Amino acid sequence: AAGVIQSPRHLIKEKRETATLKCYPIPRHDTVYWYQQGPGQDPQFLISFYEKMQSDKGSIPDRFSAQQFSDYHSELNMSSLELGDSALYFCASSLASGSYNEQFFGPGTRLTVL
Amino acid sequence: AQTVTQSQPEMSVQEAETVTLSCTYDTSENNYYLFWYKQPPSRQMILVIRQEAYKQQNATENRFSVNFQKAAKSFSLKISDSQLGDTAMYFCAQDYGGATNKLIFGTGTLLAVQP
Repeated sequence: AAGVIQSPRHLIKEKRETATLKCYPIPRHDTVYWYQQGPGQDPQFLISFYEKMQSDKGSIPDRFSAQQFSDYHSELNMSSLELGDSALYFCASSLASGSYNEQFFGPGTRLTVL
Repeated sequence: AQTVTQSQPEMSVQEAETVTLSCTYDTSENNYYLFWYKQPPSRQMILVIRQEAYKQQNATENRFSVNFQKAAKSFSLKISDSQLGDTAMYFCAQDYGGATNKLIFGTGTLLAVQP
C-alpha cells in the first residue's frame, strides 16, 4: 500500500538560509498535518490543511509558511533558519471522512541547521 | 488546554514478560480518540493501537491492549510477551477533536526489552 512520502529525507542548511520540505499524502487523503519533533522531545503540531485550505495552526513560527496544492501535496517553507529549527519534521495524512481519524505518518525529514 | 501526561520516562522489561505504560490526559471533549504510537530508532511513527472514547470496550491488537478509564482520563498500554523488537519510544496521543483533529502527544516512555 502507498504511504506518505516526504522529501528530502535529510537536509543540511546554514543559519539564515531557506528550506522547503515536501509531503505527498496517501492517494485520496484530503488532510495533511505537519509536526516538528526536536531532539528528545515529542512531536509538536505545526499546521494542517483540509481540501487545500488551512484548517488549524499550532506553534508555527512566523518564519514558516505552508500550503497544500491542487494535487493535495503540501510544502513547508522555512526562512531565516535558526539553530533551534534543527528537528525531525513529520508530515501525516488522513481522510477526513474516515471513521477512525487515523493519521498516517511519513518517514520524516531531518533538518540540520549549522 | 488539552494535555497528555506520561509519567514514566523510561521502563525496562524482560523478554516474554508483560509491561504496562501509563498515560493520563485532560480534555473537555466528550468524543475523541486516543492512540499509542511507537517510535523505534528509525524514528518512524508507527500506530500501535487506537481507542474511541465512546466505546467502553478496551481495544486490543494482538499482544497490545489498553486499559481505558474514561472517568479517570487514563489510557494505559499493556504489552504482553514482550519482544526485542518492541524496544522503542512509545507516545500516547489524543485527537484534539473539533474540526482539525490534530494530535497532542505525551512526552513519551522509552521502553527497553532486555534479552
